[in-house]
Amino acid sequence: DAKTTQPNSMESNEEEPVHLPCNHSTISGTDYIHWYRQLPSQGPEYVIHGLTSNVNNRMASLAIAEDRKSSTLILHRATLRDAAVYYCILRAYNQGGKLIFGQGTELSVKP
Amino acid sequence: DTEVTQTPKHLVMGMTNKKSLKCEQHMGHRAMYWYKQKAKKPPELMFVYSYEKLSINESVPSRFSPECPNSSLLNLHLHALQPEDSALYLCASSQEKGREGRAGELFFGEGSRLTVL
Repeated sequence: DAKTTQPNSMESNEEEPVHLPCNHSTISGTDYIHWYRQLPSQGPEYVIHGLTSNVNNRMASLAIAEDRKSSTLILHRATLRDAAVYYCILRAYNQGGKLIFGQGTELSVKP
Repeated sequence: DTEVTQTPKHLVMGMTNKKSLKCEQHMGHRAMYWYKQKAKKPPELMFVYSYEKLSINESVPSRFSPECPNSSLLNLHLHALQPEDSALYLCASSQEKGREGRAGELFFGEGSRLTVL
């Protein structure tokens, strides 16, 4: 399984944008980049995914480098409810649904 | 209904007990998953079911026995567990093939917190 590298922790101020980086230098052409987050005392929840182009949805934006060796999850205005562990995951097209979590980034949001 | 429901929320069992964890979804998903999560660690994949058949077993010890009696239900039978098996057990489901011809996003339950004494 291709590996991702994320900072262990990050801090943000409420109502400011947050950029969560992820390195995946061994990504293959069939790997999708997924982001999930896990709020305290809850199961993980899907945030966003992409292949090559930048993606936006109601929760966040995903910016993917041109060489696909890194990506950034962007929360446009952090709220206290966004405090969670954010996981960047590579999911191979042909892996039959396998989703393997890395260590993730613990995001704290200060009021 | 986008919920995955897991019961019980908490379970305490002795090493000689037999118990089961249950998971239910009504989203029509045909892929279901069990993950194990220790404190301050990421979830670890244990099993994947696809169309009620076991498709992935991540070398899980036989004291954990999964079962998928129908497309909405997933069980995890527990027998002769060890204290180090104490963890949060997460169930998830997804479409088997999404719009992009691959398995869809996973929907997770809140987990069953297991303590083995």
